[in-house]
Amino acid sequence: ETGVTQTPRHLVMGMTNKKSLKCEQHLGHNAMYWYKQSAKKPLELMFVYNFKEQTENNSVPSRFSPECPNSSHLFLHLHTLQPEDSALYLCASSPPGTGDSPLHFGNGTRLTVT
Amino acid sequence: SQQGEEDPQALSIQEGENATMNCSYKTSINNLQWYRQNSGRGLVHLILIRSNEREKHSGRLRVTLDTSKKSSSLLITASRAADTASYFCATARNDYKLSFGAGTTVTVRA
Repeated sequence: ETGVTQTPRHLVMGMTNKKSLKCEQHLGHNAMYWYKQSAKKPLELMFVYNFKEQTENNSVPSRFSPECPNSSHLFLHLHTLQPEDSALYLCASSPPGTGDSPLHFGNGTRLTVT
Repeated sequence: SQQGEEDPQALSIQEGENATMNCSYKTSINNLQWYRQNSGRGLVHLILIRSNEREKHSGRLRVTLDTSKKSSSLLITASRAADTASYFCATARNDYKLSFGAGTTVTVRA
C-alpha cells in the first residue's frame, strides 16, 4: 500500500468518450502530480498542484483537463483522446515542494484508447 | 525535458550476483533519486543523494554520485528474484520538479 490510491486501475475508452481518472492520498501531502508513462520512454510530467493551485502545465493538450478540489484529491478529465494517448497514468504526491522530498506514487491507471 | 539517462537499458543476472546500473545527466542538480517499479505498479522511492554527498547506503543498495562527471550509480548486492523490476533515476534541480530517465530493466534469474 503506497498511500496514494488511483482508480480505475484499467480503462478502455473510445476516442469520443469522456472519462475521469481519480487519485486520492491521505499522507498529509500538499503537492500532487500527474505523470504519463509510455513504453520505453521517460516519465513525462503533465501537471503539478501545490496547495490546490496548478503550478505546472507541461504543454499538455487541452483534451486532458486536471482538477484538484482539495489537497487530498486529484482528477484527470479525459475527452476526445487519441490512440497515442494510451499509456500508464501515474499520480504522485509529496510534501510542499523543496525538491528534497521523494514522490509517493499510486499504482497508476492503464489507459487504452481505441 | 529528460535529464537522467540510465545505462544499460536492460540487465539480466543470476540470483546472488550484484547488479550495477548507471545514470548520467546534463545540468547541475540539487539531488538525485532512485526509484523502483515492479511490473504493473507505481514507482517506489529507494534512495535520495544530495549534490554534496558522494555515497549512500540503504540495506543492499549503494548509490554513488560524481557531480564532476554528472553521473550516479546504483549497486544492488546479493540480488534476489524480488529485485526483478525497472529502476529509474530522477534528478531534481533547484526547483521542485523531478526529471526521470527511461529506466533500466533488471531481471534476476533463479
